[in-house]
Amino acid sequence: EAQVTQNPRYLITVTGKKLTVTCSQNMNHEYMSWYRQDPGLGLRQIYYSMNVEVTDKGDVPEGYKVSRKEKRNFPLILESPSPNQTSLYFCASSPSGTGSTDTQYFGPGTRLTVL
Amino acid sequence: AQTVTQSQPEMSVQEAETVTLSCTYDTSESDYYLFWYKQPPSRQMILVIRQEAYKQQNATENRFSVNFQKAAKSFSLKISDSQLGDAAMYFCAYSRGRVATDKLIFGTGTRLQVFP
Repeated sequence: EAQVTQNPRYLITVTGKKLTVTCSQNMNHEYMSWYRQDPGLGLRQIYYSMNVEVTDKGDVPEGYKVSRKEKRNFPLILESPSPNQTSLYFCASSPSGTGSTDTQYFGPGTRLTVL
Repeated sequence: AQTVTQSQPEMSVQEAETVTLSCTYDTSESDYYLFWYKQPPSRQMILVIRQEAYKQQNATENRFSVNFQKAAKSFSLKISDSQLGDAAMYFCAYSRGRVATDKLIFGTGTRLQVFP
């Protein structure tokens, strides 16, 4: 089954404790990205990647890191989480990016709470 | 900068009735795509319908259809014969065309309630 998986689905952590949210897709997609969803703000892009070893900032990259060492995986790293990073996070992938008729496939979301 | 506006935070509809969700956007581009995504309580983002700006014909997917007014920069979603399973948050989204690195720009969402 074609899908994007994220782990963990729920996470409660404390300020400053490094964490990683994993994202994996089994569709051989070139393009992957991370969004965060906050009430009243919709979804905003954090980082994206066009291919292995190619990543770039989205609209709200501060406090986040990403890496793309393998085509299928695109982990989101919070080196020192803060309460303002409490949010719902989505990973998404598509064959070649959003500027086309390609469908964006979204993962199930990760609910992160930083105390 | 491109923006997407959904002016209806909440809407409600009776089962089997029709409801229209509004979306306006701002862009100086001529080539772009518009989307409606559904987010049920499971939080999964589900693509409902997609419209290419160069197509004059409004997109339709079963009970879902759009009214795309390019000059007015309006992109409303009509849900016909509403069902209880249509209850969800609906997001309107935009992306530029022919820019593979571009992102989806989302509106703030409209929560749809469906009453039996």
